[in-house]
Amino acid sequence: DTGVSQNPRHKITKRGQNVTFRCDPISEHNRLYWYRQTLGQGPEFLTYFQNEAQLEKSRLLSDRFSAERPKGSFSTLEIQRTEQGDSAMYLCASSGQLSTGELFFGEGSRLTVL
Amino acid sequence: SQQGEEDPQALSIQEGENATMNCSYKTSINNLQWYRQNSGRGLVHLILIRSNEREKHSGRLRVTLDTSKKSSSLLITASRAADTASYFCATDLYNFNKFYFGSGTKLNVKP
Repeated sequence: DTGVSQNPRHKITKRGQNVTFRCDPISEHNRLYWYRQTLGQGPEFLTYFQNEAQLEKSRLLSDRFSAERPKGSFSTLEIQRTEQGDSAMYLCASSGQLSTGELFFGEGSRLTVL
Repeated sequence: SQQGEEDPQALSIQEGENATMNCSYKTSINNLQWYRQNSGRGLVHLILIRSNEREKHSGRLRVTLDTSKKSSSLLITASRAADTASYFCATDLYNFNKFYFGSGTKLNVKP
């Protein structure tokens, strides 16, 4: 399967711990997006990469959040010193250079902070 | 705040009926997209309509766009139980660089 892959699918952690999520986009896609979704709400934009460059970062993203895409392929989203309010589904999406704008989403990584 | 807002928040219909969902947005857009999300899963792209288009069809889906009213509608004809999901509209402001999603319409199609 060559879709967008996210790992881990579920993560339970204690408040104050660090967590890292990984996203492997569709191989030929150069654009990669991270979104956060809480129950009953739509996805909220967090950040966007074109190749390895992080071009946009939401003001929602506090200093505890950092995202990387070191070689323009997979991406990681790290949350430091997690808080209960960080509990959410973290969604990754990718799109291609010549895309019509369609985003291809992974299944998401669900974070629960106790 | 979210760029797009869907209406209604929830919709319950019988199988075979048509379902209509609306989306309103705040600023000028390049295009508008609709996505579906089954519970606990990722989003799946349904259809894209550009700002210079007024109507688009794809199978049982019909999307309209009224840029003067900053609104769009998604019509699902002859609904099926498998259409049960949440539906979101998404708008881009700067040519695919950032997409904003609404809060969604939760559709329940009863068999």
